[in-house]
Amino acid sequence: LAKITQPISMDSYEGQEVNITCSHNNIATNDYITWYQQFPSQGPRFIIQGYKTKVTNEVASLFIPADRKSSTLSLPRVSLSDTAVYYCLVGGSDSNYQLIWGAGTKLIIKP
Amino acid sequence: GAVVSQHPSWVICKSGTSVKIECRSLDFQATTMFWYRQFPKQSLMLMATSNEGSKATYEQGVEKDKFLINHASLTLSTLTVTSAHPEDSSFYICSASLGPSYNEQFFGPGTRLTVL
Repeated sequence: LAKITQPISMDSYEGQEVNITCSHNNIATNDYITWYQQFPSQGPRFIIQGYKTKVTNEVASLFIPADRKSSTLSLPRVSLSDTAVYYCLVGGSDSNYQLIWGAGTKLIIKP
Repeated sequence: GAVVSQHPSWVICKSGTSVKIECRSLDFQATTMFWYRQFPKQSLMLMATSNEGSKATYEQGVEKDKFLINHASLTLSTLTVTSAHPEDSSFYICSASLGPSYNEQFFGPGTRLTVL
């Protein structure tokens, strides 16, 4: 099973680009990498998913190096409303589609 | 977009009673629904995965007789916490997916359970 490590917390300022890196050294060959955002007392919300190289959508980019042992979620020009916990997830390739959740990174955006 | 609702959003009960939590996908038919538990400042812990019309698959360490899951239709799954105790107090969150867990999951708003 993939062991996931991500920073416990990060601070940044409005308008900055924020990069959150997730380590998943023993990711399986067919595992996906997914990121979710969670606000207090709410269910998580899907941000982005990727398998390799770079994926970009309207809210974020996901960079995955060739060895896939890490991934970086990039949030461009953050605002105060981006203050939340961001979870890195790895998995989905085994017969049970097991998904492993990271402990989450609490991102605090300051004015 | 896909919307998942949960009811109730907050419940307080006495120790020993049972509590039922409903999870509904409002605008799509969910192939699979998932139930999670989240303690304060911790990550989500998957409790079980359920597919409509079949028995739920529970994660290791989750008591299936204590946490009863019924997935009667493609839009409704229920979690019943039987004989609840204070240590069952937690934030229970459901999600629904059009396929396996690695597909995008649409999460409900969560249910805060407090057992006195």
